[in-house]
Amino acid sequence: QEKVQQSPESLIVPEGAMSSLNCTFSNSASQSIWWYQQHPGKGPEALISIFSNGNKKEGRLTVYLNRASLHVSLHIRDSQPSDSAVYLCAVSILAGSFNKLTFGAGTRLAVCP
Amino acid sequence: NAGVIQTPRHKVTGKGQEATLWCEPISGHSAVFWYRQTIVQGLEFLTYFRNQAPIDDSGMPKERFSAQMPNQSHSTLKIQSTQPQDSAVYLCASSLASGNTLYFGEGSRLIVV
Repeated sequence: QEKVQQSPESLIVPEGAMSSLNCTFSNSASQSIWWYQQHPGKGPEALISIFSNGNKKEGRLTVYLNRASLHVSLHIRDSQPSDSAVYLCAVSILAGSFNKLTFGAGTRLAVCP
Repeated sequence: NAGVIQTPRHKVTGKGQEATLWCEPISGHSAVFWYRQTIVQGLEFLTYFRNQAPIDDSGMPKERFSAQMPNQSHSTLKIQSTQPQDSAVYLCASSLASGNTLYFGEGSRLIVV
């Protein structure tokens, strides 16, 4: 059973600051790691994914993956109040004939104007 | 594209009653997933269909939960003899294939009283 742990549980940052979220997973055979954003009353929305060791940058988002330490982080540059949401880390594992996503409990981010 | 459509958005049912939740995936998506989200357990995988065929239902509570996909444009999740612990947001997601980006609906909030 894949385990996905996220930290911190909640994070408050001022507008314009860098937000840094962490995720550890238990299975080194994981396929891709995904970050989803969820606003209240809405379904999760995919933000960015990474498969290979190293980093990946898209706009204000940067993801770092270290498979040896089973750790992935998400960094949001120049955080905006609209970034306030719950961020879910999800790990894709090949389960039989399909890739199954297992989600962490989330980090609640609040960006204060 | 309307995205994944879930109905009803909210449902209140009495203990022991039956609840049926509907999902219309994005047109052209061959993979349909059901997840359940609670504060305590987070997002939990329930079941997965590929090209309408059930592939994995390992997350489904065996006795009272069932899911079907009678055609490519809709899937249903049925809960018989509902219990208070079934109260949750039930999320449907679709994707082009497993391993690709999941597109979630806004969820159906079920409250069992």
